Amino acid sequence: KQEVTQIPAALSVPEGENLVLNCSFTDSAIYNLQWFRQDPGKGLTSLLLIQSSQREQTSGRLNASLDKSSGRSTLYIAASQPGDSATYLCAVIFAGTYKYIFGTGTRLKVLA
Amino acid sequence: SAVISQKPSRDICQRGTSLTIQCQVDSQVTMMFWYRQQPGQSLTLIATANQGSEATYESGFVIDKFPISRPNLTFSTLTVSNMSPEDSSIYLCSVNWDQETQYFGPGTRLLVL
Repeated sequence: KQEVTQIPAALSVPEGENLVLNCSFTDSAIYNLQWFRQDPGKGLTSLLLIQSSQREQTSGRLNASLDKSSGRSTLYIAASQPGDSATYLCAVIFAGTYKYIFGTGTRLKVLA
Repeated sequence: SAVISQKPSRDICQRGTSLTIQCQVDSQVTMMFWYRQQPGQSLTLIATANQGSEATYESGFVIDKFPISRPNLTFSTLTVSNMSPEDSSIYLCSVNWDQETQYFGPGTRLLVL
């Protein structure tokens, strides 16, 4: 069964700390992987998209890496800020499909 | 990119009634998706809606409970029928842009009493 798992489920860090969120997927044959942010009671905002042929993508303080062979992706957030507090979701399109399978999410709280 | 709007943004409904959620995209797209996010949970795909054909439902979701319309390339509706408290969720529509980045609407927050 194709599944996506995220750890930790929740994370609380002081402002300014660098942090890593993890995403694991059960099948290394993927089309792409996308990281999203969801604020409480809101919809999803796309952060970074990594194609199957790519190893990483960067946007500002965010860096996402992809290691298909180990079935893992990480989202690195540098110099965290209270405004980064949200739930972070990763989603995968497995090869041969067209739909995203979402992970369980990591609830991040950055303390001022 | 695609800009997606949903109506209503939230609603409180009585058990046994139905609610139709609208999703409007500012560009023509082939595939639109409907997701459900139950409280404290991640997103679960309900169905894929293609213009001109019947929606494709995921395991555990049926057309009688969640009828979907897709009358054109920029609009879709999802109806939640004969609602029960277990249907209380956020319902989100989304589109794949250039078969890559997925964009989401702001969601419809539904509470069933």
